Amino acid sequence: AQSVTQLGSHVSVSEGALVLLRCNYSSSVPPYLFWYVQYPNQGLQLLLKYTSAATLVKGINGFEAEFKKSETSFHLTKPSAHMSDAAEYFCAVSEGSNTGKLIFGQGTTLQVKP
Amino acid sequence: GAVVSQHPSWVICKSGTSVKIECRSLDFQATTMFWYRQFPKQSLMLMATSNEGSKATYEQGVEKDKFLINHASLTLSTLTVTSAHPEDSSFYICSARDPRSLSSNTEAFFGQGTRLTVV
Repeated sequence: AQSVTQLGSHVSVSEGALVLLRCNYSSSVPPYLFWYVQYPNQGLQLLLKYTSAATLVKGINGFEAEFKKSETSFHLTKPSAHMSDAAEYFCAVSEGSNTGKLIFGQGTTLQVKP
Repeated sequence: GAVVSQHPSWVICKSGTSVKIECRSLDFQATTMFWYRQFPKQSLMLMATSNEGSKATYEQGVEKDKFLINHASLTLSTLTVTSAHPEDSSFYICSARDPRSLSSNTEAFFGQGTRLTVV
């Protein structure tokens, strides 16, 4: 069975500071990994995805994530936080190739302080 | 990217009544859609997989008689919460894959969600 663990339910950074949101996964097959962002009372927007190509994945809004198989991690980073980045972030792993079916982590709330 | 729309965005209903939530793929045909449930400040939990023209596949612990799913066409799946109770109050989100996309096997598009409040 696959699972995702997000370390830290709440992360607070200052505007302009580095953003680091942690995600570790468990999967018996090569995983497809995703990061989504959710704003209050809205659906999910895809930030980026790993699909066994390049291990460093660049996404929208300046975010990127690095797949590290040895560490079973897929941490999300952004060099400089912006106030508009404040939201809920979810890491997810797909069940094999049927990637419509996702297993989500617990979510991390990102707070950006002025 | 592909567009998935849910309706309504929010609904308030009385305990004991039934509520129907629609999930539409606006610019593509989706043979498979997924329904998730999200409690406040929690993650998304997959409830069921909706298959066009066949019965939905429910996740363990989800009551299929309470959460009725109908995928009658390639662009519409509905979730009906029957005999709703306050504990059914939650945020319900659907997703679908676009089979036309080159990355169709790697991405799901989400609707904007439906906030259900049962009073």
